[in-house]
Amino acid sequence: AQSVAQPEDQVNVAEGNPLTVKCTYSVSGNPYLFWYVQYPNRGLQFLLKYITGDNLVKGSYGFEAEFNKSQTSFHLKKPSALVSDSALYFCAVRDIRWRALTFGSGTRLQVQP
Amino acid sequence: SQTIHQWPATLVQPVGSPLSLECTVEGTSNPNLYWYRQAAGRGLQLLFYSVGIGQISSEVPQNLSASRPQDRQFILSSKKLLLSDSGFYLCAWRELSGEKLFFGSGTQLSVL
Repeated sequence: AQSVAQPEDQVNVAEGNPLTVKCTYSVSGNPYLFWYVQYPNRGLQFLLKYITGDNLVKGSYGFEAEFNKSQTSFHLKKPSALVSDSALYFCAVRDIRWRALTFGSGTRLQVQP
Repeated sequence: SQTIHQWPATLVQPVGSPLSLECTVEGTSNPNLYWYRQAAGRGLQLLFYSVGIGQISSEVPQNLSASRPQDRQFILSSKKLLLSDSGFYLCAWRELSGEKLFFGSGTQLSVL
């Protein structure tokens, strides 16, 4: 079965600094990876996906993610953090038959002004 | 454009009472539909998914059930709520050939 792990419960970063939110995956076959963001008391919003192609994937709100097959990682990055980026971030992987997404435990990003 | 409606936004129910949460999608047809539960504001657990009317797949044994009486309607139910059913319930949909899940705004259920 596929799974993703987010090793950090919380990431703190100062506004204007680069940020990284970590994710590692475990799948059999080709990985289909996603990042979603959740603001308080809201549903999740899609940020970006990796299906195939370039290892650096660009998404919404200036976020990007780097796919690394040898390290089985899919870390979320942004060159310059904003206070408004503070939210809960989820990494996810879909199963081979695309029945549903399996989500990680989430990482809370706190950007300090 | 497509929209997803989920209600109610909050619900407080006594233990042993029934539950019915409803989710509807507009602007698309034959979507895949999902119910997730989020406990304590963290990880999401897939509860049910549906690929068509009357077709429900359950991911974990539990006190809940789901039904899809119409193409764009997905209902989460329970006959008797337990304390452990408290949580944030999220409905989501996906186009058959799409790669993105679109989520509703969620229902915060408190069982007391």
